[in-house]
Amino acid sequence: DAKTTQPTSMDCAEGRAANLPCNHSTISGNEYVYWYRQIHSQGPQYIIHGLKNNETNEMASLIITEDRKSSTLILPHATLRDTAVYYCIVRSETSGSRLTFGEGTQLTVNP
Amino acid sequence: DTGVSQNPRHKITKRGQNVTFRCDPISEHNRLYWYRQTLGQGPEFLTYFQNEAQLEKSRLLSDRFSAERPKGSFSTLEIQRTEQGDSAMYLCASSFWGQGTSMTQYFGPGTRLLVL
Repeated sequence: DAKTTQPTSMDCAEGRAANLPCNHSTISGNEYVYWYRQIHSQGPQYIIHGLKNNETNEMASLIITEDRKSSTLILPHATLRDTAVYYCIVRSETSGSRLTFGEGTQLTVNP
Repeated sequence: DTGVSQNPRHKITKRGQNVTFRCDPISEHNRLYWYRQTLGQGPEFLTYFQNEAQLEKSRLLSDRFSAERPKGSFSTLEIQRTEQGDSAMYLCASSFWGQGTSMTQYFGPGTRLLVL
């Protein structure tokens, strides 16, 4: 699975959009981009995933560039409860096994 | 609650003792994964099952570690002769593997192990 690069930390004001970037320049054609988050001392929570097209669900939006070498997770109206470590993971659906977590981005939402 | 459950949530043991953790996956999921997470790091893959078959083991899974999924439903992870370096959060995840499915992994709350 391709490696990802994320900023170590980011801050966001409550009520504003949080835009979390991820670089995955070596992504292959059959690899999906997954986002998880982990609130302190809890298990990782699945947020969203996509292959080529932009995706949106009740939690977030995922914007993938046309060359698929980078993506952005958007939390449209961040709340204090969105403070967490956010992990961007690239994974092939054909392998179906491990998720390889990096160090993620610590997002802090400030009041 | 239909999510992944893990028991116990916390375990304190003395070095050299054996411990066993249990994971109950989402009921229709045929794949079950174990990960380990130490402080300040992302989770690291240990092993996974498809139904009752253990299909992959990480080199992190030393011979003191053994995982089973005897009936293809719940799974246990046992650590024998625990060491202080085994102190970590042990996470379980499950997914459904099949044609046309996303195979998204859903995680449980984890079992936090402290070896004294």
